[in-house]
Amino acid sequence: DQQVKQNSPSLSVQEGRISILNCDYTNSMFDYFLWYKKYPAEGPTFLISISSIKDKNEDGRFTVFLNKSAKHLSLHIVPSQPGDSAVYFCAASRLNNDMRFGAGTRLTVKP
Amino acid sequence: NAGVTQTPKFQVLKTGQSMTLQCAQDMNHNSMYWYRQDPGMGLRLIYYSASEGTTDKGEVPNGYNVSRLNKREFSLRLESAAPSQTSVYFCASGPNSNQPQHFGDGTRLSIL
Repeated sequence: DQQVKQNSPSLSVQEGRISILNCDYTNSMFDYFLWYKKYPAEGPTFLISISSIKDKNEDGRFTVFLNKSAKHLSLHIVPSQPGDSAVYFCAASRLNNDMRFGAGTRLTVKP
Repeated sequence: NAGVTQTPKFQVLKTGQSMTLQCAQDMNHNSMYWYRQDPGMGLRLIYYSASEGTTDKGEVPNGYNVSRLNKREFSLRLESAAPSQTSVYFCASGPNSNQPQHFGDGTRLSIL
């Protein structure tokens, strides 16, 4: 059973515009959520996280929003840059090391 | 500043052969993890080690064994490889649970 879902396999945006990546989860016990970015032939790298006690966390151009009632989180990238082109994974965990990942969304930012 | 190092980077095996994937981290992290990544499936946790001397099953442990050799090293063993285990394997480490994990660059494993 896939407890973390990213329903959009790909997203294409113009440089300078906003990129919005979405993620849904089914397990209400998750209390920590993360976004990772992955380039080809490299491991995922941590981007930003949010705990379940918050509904928003910002880090520069990246903002993560959490809607617990809808079991939904999103990553906003503003402004988008060509170097942001990568696969983005949403992940969720409880306080027990068992982290679940979504299938990923491939973001392409066009110059 | 190596971070998480995985060896080998590529490997081709025949069905039934055994293989150990090696992972070492130099960040003094307590927790270490093994994931596999398959198309359309994201990353799935195979095993993890919350601290030196402990290991636990993740989401897809069947067909694998692990050893936490010391705080730095966490190996993954396939005793009798099967084509269904063809995948990209990632090792990760983290300070503790519920904290961001740092990933190695992966081992691409093909089983014929």
